[in-house]
Amino acid sequence: QSALTQPASVSGSPGQSITISCTGTSSDVGGYNYVAWYQQHPGKAPKLMIYQVSNRPSGVSNRFSGSKSGNTASLTISGLQAEDEADYYCSSYTSSSTYVFGTGTKVTVL
Amino acid sequence: QVQLQESGPGLVKPSQTLSLTCTVSGGSISSGSYFWSWIRQPAGKGLEWIGRISTSGSTNYNPSLKSRVTISVDTSKNQFSLKLSSVTAADTAVYYCANNQRGAFDYWGQGTLVTVSS
Repeated sequence: QSALTQPASVSGSPGQSITISCTGTSSDVGGYNYVAWYQQHPGKAPKLMIYQVSNRPSGVSNRFSGSKSGNTASLTISGLQAEDEADYYCSSYTSSSTYVFGTGTKVTVL
Repeated sequence: QVQLQESGPGLVKPSQTLSLTCTVSGGSISSGSYFWSWIRQPAGKGLEWIGRISTSGSTNYNPSLKSRVTISVDTSKNQFSLKLSSVTAADTAVYYCANNQRGAFDYWGQGTLVTVSS
């Protein structure tokens, strides 16, 4: 299984909105609503930010939102803050009953 | 809230078997319709899903690792384990255990670095 494709880096100024894409195939992202997004700060374990395409776990800021169209899922961070600077990964369930992660995106707050 | 903690040797020799255990606290490993996964991350690189196990013992593995991976569960100890055989330097990574529900990985351990070197 191939990793899902994410842009290597995305940047924005404080207060702006940014969007990270996650492109897969009809066998993973396009075929299931089991797309999730994770935030990872250096030296830390990933933290779940979005599950099932667009749902936020309790305690996650509503500045984070998710969506999906076809084989591409997206994570939008609105009102960008310095603390949002981190690596972000998507994941998807697959038709083989496995999981695949995205290549990862480094978010920089300018 | 569920907490997970990885444990095991930090150094493994090439061609040997890597063995890690994840201890679950704050809840029974048998409760709910959960799976329990292992995920790894080489230094400076992305996340790679290794495999998962249900509390009934059914498993799914990453096809690229399937021939070398075994995941097992011990409900009496509230633990699940990973064995990766015939390791090489390419298996050097931080290994995470995670709770797998709702099609996502909700709770993660802090991670443990395993280095493959002679």
